[in-house]
Amino acid sequence: AQSVTQLGSHVSVSEGALVLLRCNYSSSVPPYLFWYVQYPNQGLQLLLKYTSAATLVKGINGFEAEFKKSETSFHLTKPSAHMSDAAEYFCAVSPNFGNEKLTFGTGTRLTIIP
Amino acid sequence: DAGVIQSPRHEVTEMGQEVTLRCKPISGHDYLFWYRQTMMRGLELLIYFNNNVPIDDSGMPEDRFSAKMPNASFSTLKIQPSEPRDSAVYFCASSPGDSGFVGEAFFGQGTRLTVV
Repeated sequence: AQSVTQLGSHVSVSEGALVLLRCNYSSSVPPYLFWYVQYPNQGLQLLLKYTSAATLVKGINGFEAEFKKSETSFHLTKPSAHMSDAAEYFCAVSPNFGNEKLTFGTGTRLTIIP
Repeated sequence: DAGVIQSPRHEVTEMGQEVTLRCKPISGHDYLFWYRQTMMRGLELLIYFNNNVPIDDSGMPEDRFSAKMPNASFSTLKIQPSEPRDSAVYFCASSPGDSGFVGEAFFGQGTRLTVV
């Protein structure tokens, strides 16, 4: 079985500061990992995904995440926060053999302080 | 492509009434998912289809909920009878399933259901 834990349901950072959103996974098989973003009144949109090709994954809008097997983590970072980054972020996992549904975390709401 | 299209965007209904939510997936996508999002329970997968066949409906909360996919371009989620605790945002998503991989899902904008 697979699951993800997102540490911190709410995170606030100042505009221009580093964004760090934490995600730890639990998986009985090598996982695929994802970050999705949800803007207000919108559906979820894929930010980036890890599919075992490279441990550092770059996504849209300047976000990136690093897969660390030793720490079972897949934290999302962005060097400099922008007001437009305010949204809810979801980490998700699926087994890497495909044909399986995503399991989402509970989400982290990111607030940007001007 | 216009993306995943859901209708209606908002639905307000009285308890006991039947509610039907509709979804048009992205053309060519083999997988379709129905999710429910609430403050209390977060994002829950209700059911998903592969090539119009239901694969896993273990997330469907009760027999009051049913979902169909009569063809590759249309799916419905029906609640009959509706109850106030069904109030939530319901999302439809589709995935290309390339090489059997379903991880990258494309979401619709959701239907906000309010049952009074």
